Amino acid sequence: AQSVTQLGSHVSVSEGALVLLRCNYSSSVPPYLFWYVQYPNQGLQLLLKYTSAATLVKGINGFEAEFKKSETSFHLTKPSAHMSDAAEYFCAVSEGTGRRALTFGSGTRLQVQP
Amino acid sequence: NAGVTQTPKFQVLKTGQSMTLQCAQDMNHNSMYWYRQDPGMGLRLIYYSASEGTTDKGEVPNGYNVSRLNKREFSLRLESAAPSQTSVYFCASSEVSYEQYFGPGTRLTVT
Repeated sequence: AQSVTQLGSHVSVSEGALVLLRCNYSSSVPPYLFWYVQYPNQGLQLLLKYTSAATLVKGINGFEAEFKKSETSFHLTKPSAHMSDAAEYFCAVSEGTGRRALTFGSGTRLQVQP
Repeated sequence: NAGVTQTPKFQVLKTGQSMTLQCAQDMNHNSMYWYRQDPGMGLRLIYYSASEGTTDKGEVPNGYNVSRLNKREFSLRLESAAPSQTSVYFCASSEVSYEQYFGPGTRLTVT
């Protein structure tokens, strides 16, 4: 069975500081990995995805994530936080077989301080 | 293209009432999903439909039924609502890329 662990339910950074949101996964087969962002009272929007191509994946709004098989991690980073980055972020895994449903982490709420 | 649409956006039910949440997508996707989102728990899969005419249980199916009416539409029914079903419900669709596209959600309160 697949699972996702997001370390830190709340992360606070200053505007202009590095953003690092942690995600570890478990999967019995090579996974497909995703980061989604949710702004207040909205649905989920895809930030980026890893589907077994390049291990460093670039997404929208300046975010990127690196797939590290040895560490079973897929951490999300952004060099310089902006106030508009304040949102909840979800890491998700799919084993890419059968029903292809996503298993989500519990989410990390990012606060950006001025 | 509207993407994935959901109705209603908000609903308040009394315990024991029934209702159907509607979802439609215009991206010609084969797969559709229903999730519920609860604080601190991420999103959990309720039901899944790989293609028109097929449905499958997810992680938390108890108390729900679904219908894949056609390729575009996938509805979720609560036959007898309970306070434990107070949640935000999201519909999603996907194709071979496994990337899922989400609707705006339905916020349901059961009193």
